[in-house]
Amino acid sequence: DAGVTQSPTHLIKTRGQQVTLRCSPISGHKSVSWYQQVLGQGPQFIFQYYEKEERGRGNFPDRFSARQFPNYSSELNVNALLLGDSALYLCASTDSTGEGQPQHFGDGTRLSIL
Amino acid sequence: ILNVEQSPQSLHVQEGDSTNFTCSFPSSNFYALHWYRWETAKSPEALFVMTLNGDEKKKGRISATLNTKEGYSYLYIKGSQPEDSATYLCAFTGGGADGLTFGKGTHLIIQP
Repeated sequence: DAGVTQSPTHLIKTRGQQVTLRCSPISGHKSVSWYQQVLGQGPQFIFQYYEKEERGRGNFPDRFSARQFPNYSSELNVNALLLGDSALYLCASTDSTGEGQPQHFGDGTRLSIL
Repeated sequence: ILNVEQSPQSLHVQEGDSTNFTCSFPSSNFYALHWYRWETAKSPEALFVMTLNGDEKKKGRISATLNTKEGYSYLYIKGSQPEDSATYLCAFTGGGADGLTFGKGTHLIIQP
């Protein structure tokens, strides 16, 4: 079975641009979460989606948005990019909303803002 | 703002030695404590999810303990091997819709 897949692997953008990151969860998993990891820090929670509904949101500005599709894949959108948005963006899936379940992570998308 | 602290930040261990490191987290509103291993150029891999005070879990040479009353968890590695070199992350959740709160990780290097 395929694990969590994310695309693209790497991305370079300039300030002010917009970006869309994509995530396909493990087959059968209905919950997708997004995390941002900057160098020297642990991953920071951005969003959780379950059954196509936003279930949780971290402390990120409204420039960050996401959605989940009927096939449970998800997109993370970031508008008006800032230099500080340069980070590794991780997607994780679980088969339920329960935080007692281990999260299955993808390899991430490395976003660089010039 | 939840505070999850991991120590030490980095650790060099000789191959064959045993080691341990610490994760401290809020002792109130506890739901679960996660441990992940993150090797360079790979995705974080779940090791344990612990929910009960006093819980102890084991996976091969790696084990973890949990004290929810005082807010800490220990991860132990017995007989370290080069393939154990990785960053070990712990993450706390209060069970709500706030996702996991991660520590900064312990970067473990096993020296042959």
